Amino acid sequence: QKEVEQNSGPLSVPEGAIASLNCTYSDRVSQSFFWYRQYSGKSPELIMSIYSNGDKEDGRFTAQLNKASQYVSLLIRDSQPSDSATYLCAVRSYNTDKLIFGTGTRLQVFP
Amino acid sequence: DGGITQSPKYLFRKEGQNVTLSCEQNLNHDAMYWYRQDPGQGLRLIYYSQIVNDFQKGDIAEGYSVSREKKESFPLTVTSAQKNPTAFYLCATQPRSAYNEQFFGPGTRLTVL
Repeated sequence: QKEVEQNSGPLSVPEGAIASLNCTYSDRVSQSFFWYRQYSGKSPELIMSIYSNGDKEDGRFTAQLNKASQYVSLLIRDSQPSDSATYLCAVRSYNTDKLIFGTGTRLQVFP
Repeated sequence: DGGITQSPKYLFRKEGQNVTLSCEQNLNHDAMYWYRQDPGQGLRLIYYSQIVNDFQKGDIAEGYSVSREKKESFPLTVTSAQKNPTAFYLCATQPRSAYNEQFFGPGTRLTVL
């Protein structure tokens, strides 16, 4: 069983729509959760981090965490073609300095 | 100009050769990490270092070696023992903080000819 799972996509949404990206994890003691955006051929860029249950908003991005159900999601409002990229979910377990990454979801925003 | 630098951007290696990938940072971050990314796969941890002169193996350390002689530098050597080294190599740093966020350099793309 993969430790961090994401649907590989592609997830296609029209410009201006809400894109919803999901991630599940297997380690119940996971404590820190991160979303990275990776454009083709480039390195990952940290866009959101979340540590407690609930929602965390930053501009057009909202991260949602539900530890009881072991999932974390990323919502992108008013999606733009420039949001087209692969989004990586990363999880850190308790008392470790290592991140476990999912394989990423490819998002396509079409005009 | 602050940040994380990796060099070279592209690297070609003949089979049987050792090559060294550079990672330098001026962010004063304590921890540094090396990941490997293959198409369709997530990032896999090769080695990491939380302090100068100390480092730990990650999940796929075989065929790789590292050193951490300075806080700013964490070079990765891909040895001839690594059977399938063609990949995108990413260096990351992490400050000492409660949030443990990692930040990535631009990466080195290694191709074995």
